[in-house]
Amino acid sequence: SQQGEEDPQALSIQEGENATMNCSYKTSINNLQWYRQNSGRGLVHLILIRSNEREKHSGRLRVTLDTSKKSSSLLITASRAADTASYFCATVQISSGSARQLTFGSGTQLTVLP
Amino acid sequence: DGGITQSPKYLFRKEGQNVTLSCEQNLNHDAMYWYRQDPGQGLRLIYYSQIVNDFQKGDIAEGYSVSREKKESFPLTVTSAQKNPTAFYLCASSTSWREQFFGPGTRLTVL
Repeated sequence: SQQGEEDPQALSIQEGENATMNCSYKTSINNLQWYRQNSGRGLVHLILIRSNEREKHSGRLRVTLDTSKKSSSLLITASRAADTASYFCATVQISSGSARQLTFGSGTQLTVLP
Repeated sequence: DGGITQSPKYLFRKEGQNVTLSCEQNLNHDAMYWYRQDPGQGLRLIYYSQIVNDFQKGDIAEGYSVSREKKESFPLTVTSAQKNPTAFYLCASSTSWREQFFGPGTRLTVL
């Protein structure tokens, strides 16, 4: 089941501009993570934000989390051509059992034009 | 050089054949996962294992099987019962349900 849904599906910007991607989810979460995938490659973890956190920074990345709206955003500042990739949000749900599933959204394809 | 490896990078299968995808990690992670990714889509969980000799079905386990005899290894077999196996398969590992470390993937094509 797709827990997270990213918006927009595709985003094209000029180098130096900021890129904002949004993620919405359906059920209560333990944490939310953002990953990056270059074409035909594995995913790389970018940042994790816990359910009791509202904002987190890592270099040019800024992530926000609004648990009341069940949404998160990823902001990449001063984008570079090398930022061109697909970006996925993934949620760890709070479940009744001991196992917690990590569920990925469908991704945003970011293209940064030089 | 620590990390997670998958082999082969490309795999071709004839209809009716079983094939096994390899996943090895030397990160000393307890948990390992297999995902399937179709073009333009997100990842869907096939199987996961939290400890050796134990594994659980994910959302799309039908037509797949796994084993976890060693902590370092989590092979995935795509059986002939999987009706549409052509996809990109990703293996990952983690210490818990925190960030996951991914291998480079195996692209499986059915001829």
